[in-house]
Amino acid sequence: EAGVVQSPRYKIIEKKQPVAFWCNPISGHNTLYWYLQNLGQGPELLIRYENEEAVDDSQLPKDRFSAERLKGVDSTLKIQPAELGDSAVYLCASSLGRTQETQYFGPGTRLLVL
Amino acid sequence: GDSVTQMEGPVTLSEEAFLTINCTYTATGYPSLFWYVQYPGEGLQLLLKATKADDKGSNKGFEATYRKETTSFHLEKGSVQVSDSAVYFCALIKNTGGFKTIFGAGTRLFVKA
Repeated sequence: EAGVVQSPRYKIIEKKQPVAFWCNPISGHNTLYWYLQNLGQGPELLIRYENEEAVDDSQLPKDRFSAERLKGVDSTLKIQPAELGDSAVYLCASSLGRTQETQYFGPGTRLLVL
Repeated sequence: GDSVTQMEGPVTLSEEAFLTINCTYTATGYPSLFWYVQYPGEGLQLLLKATKADDKGSNKGFEATYRKETTSFHLEKGSVQVSDSAVYFCALIKNTGGFKTIFGAGTRLFVKA
């Protein structure tokens, strides 16, 4: 069974440019998570989807970040415009449902903003 | 508020040494507790978990016991290998009083041959 797929794996952009990350969760997993991981830190939740509904986006900086999961399967996280401080690893995870279940992580997208 | 605190790294051990990585948590309700491992260039992988007090999670020689009285979930392994070198994250997930998933800052382990 395929794991969580993310692309691209690496991205280098100039500040003020837009950038998008894509995630395809494990088949059948209804819940999808986007995390931000700064260097030397643990992941921090940005947004959580139950199917196509964003049920928790309180930590998403909505002035520049947006996300969508239109058909309740794959998801896109966008930053526009990017700032130097956005340099980090963006992780996607999925789980079967909304209870206290194991989350399965993708390899992440490492973003560098110059 | 809810939180997870791990011992700071890096932890450097010789092969076959005993490993303990401390993790304590603060949370209302009844969280599930997890240890994830992150190898260089890879995403987080579940190592083990425990869903209620006194449960012991185990995998690949690693163990951790959910201690509610001390709010701890320390990771142990009796004999580490070079291949265990990685970053280890303690995490809690709860769904009472609102869903929360909180990770510790991670502890880097180096194992020398």
